[in-house]
Amino acid sequence: QSALTQPASVSGSPGQSITISCTGTSSDIGSHNLVSWYQQHPGKAPKLVIYEVTKWPSGVSNRFSGSKSGNTASLTISGLQAEDEADYFCCSNAGGSTYVFGTGTEVSVL
Amino acid sequence: QVQLAQSGAEVKKPGASVKVACKASGYSFSAYYVHWVRQAPGQGLEWMGIISPGGDYTASAQKFQGRLTLTRDTSATTVYMELSSLRYEDTAVYYCARESPGSGGLDDWGQGTLVAVSS
Repeated sequence: QSALTQPASVSGSPGQSITISCTGTSSDIGSHNLVSWYQQHPGKAPKLVIYEVTKWPSGVSNRFSGSKSGNTASLTISGLQAEDEADYFCCSNAGGSTYVFGTGTEVSVL
Repeated sequence: QVQLAQSGAEVKKPGASVKVACKASGYSFSAYYVHWVRQAPGQGLEWMGIISPGGDYTASAQKFQGRLTLTRDTSATTVYMELSSLRYEDTAVYYCARESPGSGGLDDWGQGTLVAVSS
């Protein structure tokens, strides 16, 4: 199972919106709605920010939103803030109970 | 509150095995799947495997099949990950994470355990 493909880096100014793509195949993203996104700050454990493509865990800002079209999922961060600077990873069910993560995207706030 | 407390860092020689513990508290241990994810230095997250609430079902990524063993002790509310035939490239931080039921989303994570493979 190959890792899902994400851009290496995305940047934006405070207040702007950015979108991170996550491209898979018809065997993972294309055929499952169990797509989640994680935020990871340096030296910390990942934090769930979106699950089941579009849903927010309790306590997560609604500035984060998710979507999916075909084999590609996307995470949009609106009203970009300094605290959003982190690495972001997508994850999808890949059949049965197996999962696959994306390659990761470094978000910079200019 | 939900806590997943992992065992401490390990240094192992190539060819050896390592067993990492993940002790759960603050929730109904027997009701949740637990995943294991690792992260090599400076690299991304890699999904390793999953164990069912009762411990009777496990699944793993193809690259770990034959080397990865996941178990759980309900009385101790602890999940274990054992990786055998260690190689230098197995050096990584290993995380356990609880899955929000049926969602695929990992909503609580352990603090991570560094496993270093060195001769």
